[in-house]
Parts: sequence; C-alpha cells; structure tokens
Amino acid sequence: GAVVSQHPSWVICKSGTSVKIECRSLDFQATTMFWYRQFPKQSLMLMATSNEGSKATYEQGVEKDKFLINHASLTLSTLTVTSAHPEDSSFYICSASQGAELIHEQFFGPGTRLTVL
Amino acid sequence: GEDVEQSLFLSVREGDSSVINCTYTDSSSTYLYWYKQEPGAGLQLLTYIFSNMDMKQDQRLTVLLNKKDKHLSLRIADTQTGDSAIYFCAETGYSTLTFGKGTMLLVSP
Repeated sequence: GAVVSQHPSWVICKSGTSVKIECRSLDFQATTMFWYRQFPKQSLMLMATSNEGSKATYEQGVEKDKFLINHASLTLSTLTVTSAHPEDSSFYICSASQGAELIHEQFFGPGTRLTVL
Repeated sequence: GEDVEQSLFLSVREGDSSVINCTYTDSSSTYLYWYKQEPGAGLQLLTYIFSNMDMKQDQRLTVLLNKKDKHLSLRIADTQTGDSAIYFCAETGYSTLTFGKGTMLLVSP
C-alpha cells in the first residue's frame, strides 16, 4: 500500500526556535496533503490543506504565519512551526492523497511529536 | 459545524466481539471511516463505507450504518490483544475529514 513518512518522528526544542517537519509520500504522487495536530486523548484537528504548487488553505483559528506550510513537490510537504512555544507541543500528523476527490484514499504518516521546553 | 461523537473506552476479553459506536451530525456525509491508531503512531485506515450502504464486511470487521439515525458502528469479531488501540470514526462531506475523539479499546487475555 501507499506509504507516507514523516521526519523527524520526535523533536524537542527550546521556546522561541523554529521547527520544520517533513512529510513525504514514498511511492505515489500526492496532489493534496493535509496537516493535523492531535493533543493527548483528543481527536485529530485539521490545520491546513495544501495542494502542490499552491498556497495552503488554513482552517479557522490556525495562524498561517506561525504554521508555515510548503508543498513544493508532489512527494514532499513541510510544516514549519515558527517561534515555537510550549502550547505548540503536540503530535503533528500529515496525510496525503492523490486528490481531494480521493479523500477516502488518504494515507497517514506516523506522526511527529513536538515538545517545546 | 459537523460533530462526531464516540464513547471513550471499551474493554473486552480476548475472543469476544467488540462493538464501537459513533454518531455524527453532518447529513451530507458521503463516506464514513474507521481508523486505528496504535500508541505513538499515525492512523491506519481499517475500512470505510459509502453513505448509501447499510453494511460492509471485511474479514473480522463489520461496519453498520444507520443513516436515518446518523449512527455508525464497527464490530470486531474474535478480538485479539493486538486489536488494542484507539479507534477513530471519521466522516467527510465534500473535502475534509472530521474525526471523533477516539475510542480506546483494551483487550485483556
């Protein structure tokens, strides 16, 4: 089946620094990638949707200047948490699909646990 | 907005059947999904059902959909300890997934 990887799997950083998380589709071209965050014992909350080559669409309440998303190729999307603070500590999960019309074929990465000290 | 509700916890013995329930509010849902999340890992799609179906069976998994009551259930037959995980119900209307908070399934030997 389709494989989506994320790097790093976990990261610890100091408050005020920026952290970049990569999401790659390994064996298919991902026209659309999604970024979610998950707090402990909570559901996944969609942060943004990105289509290759265009600007990401952010969900209400998600700061686009704080969570920078780049989807420069059909196999790679990056999420950069800028000036991270402890409240940004969370589990970030990406998913990828070959198009919005194939959302039921959305494949999830293993997640990245971010801890901001 | 759309809302998806699940019970938070279910405990069963190995070999029993597990039934995880979910309710949703979006009447325009087209697909409904069940995902499995093991500790520290991402989500694995278990199965999905199209909204014009009542039931779907896939090996040990049976999904039942009551569209009138907006109720979805996942039945796992012969539950094994390896089935212990968090199970998320999700729905989509047009383009994005809305997830429930997840049901933690604990299978004891």
